[in-house]
Amino acid sequence: DSGVTQTPKHLITATGQRVTLRCSPRSGDLSVYWYQQSLDQGLQFLIQYYNGEERAKGNILERFSAQQFPDLHSELNLSSLELGDSALYFCASSGGRGPLSTNEKLFFGSGTQLSVL
Amino acid sequence: GDSVTQMEGPITLPEEAFLTINCTYTATGYPSLFWYVQYPGEGLQLLLKATKADDKGSNKGFEATYRKETTSFHLEKGSVQVSDSAVYFCALSRIYTGANSKLTFGKGITLSVRP
Repeated sequence: DSGVTQTPKHLITATGQRVTLRCSPRSGDLSVYWYQQSLDQGLQFLIQYYNGEERAKGNILERFSAQQFPDLHSELNLSSLELGDSALYFCASSGGRGPLSTNEKLFFGSGTQLSVL
Repeated sequence: GDSVTQMEGPITLPEEAFLTINCTYTATGYPSLFWYVQYPGEGLQLLLKATKADDKGSNKGFEATYRKETTSFHLEKGSVQVSDSAVYFCALSRIYTGANSKLTFGKGITLSVRP
């Protein structure tokens, strides 16, 4: 058990809808990272938050947004969903603010499987 | 930009076979290199890492050596077990401007070990 909790584990929805994925980082970790894993693209970095503030941005669509709350949990909001958004979404946490140093380790949750029908 | 290329899969091996999973990367500077493993139904876990040229990362019988001359970080294990069945991801980390950094992953490869 990595200590990172993601809910829900599975989500089935229709095109055009909006969903929210939730992540609770490991106790004490201040950084939260979101990744999208799809069959054709592999693992893609979406966004990082550190202590409530956006820290780094990757290949995140404008239809997607995220935030980190004072209790350090994070939510990833996906709107106007398309079939191509079907993927496994991972959250990871680390103790540092980034950059990922030689001694820093990412702890991953089990992911949320999103299916857009 | 940065990229990581892994060999095509999936791989199926008998127990106790020798395993090699190829990984090459494209990046400027001196990235850190990682192998992550994803067991069925679980998230990713760091398997091993190397932070500079000629470093060898090792864990659970797996090894990988950071080869800058060939920009490679191939994963090897001398004798695989059924419990090694998982998806393996090669990744690199590089510091960008300011305090930004990210992990760039390969597409992953599924390993199935049959008893």
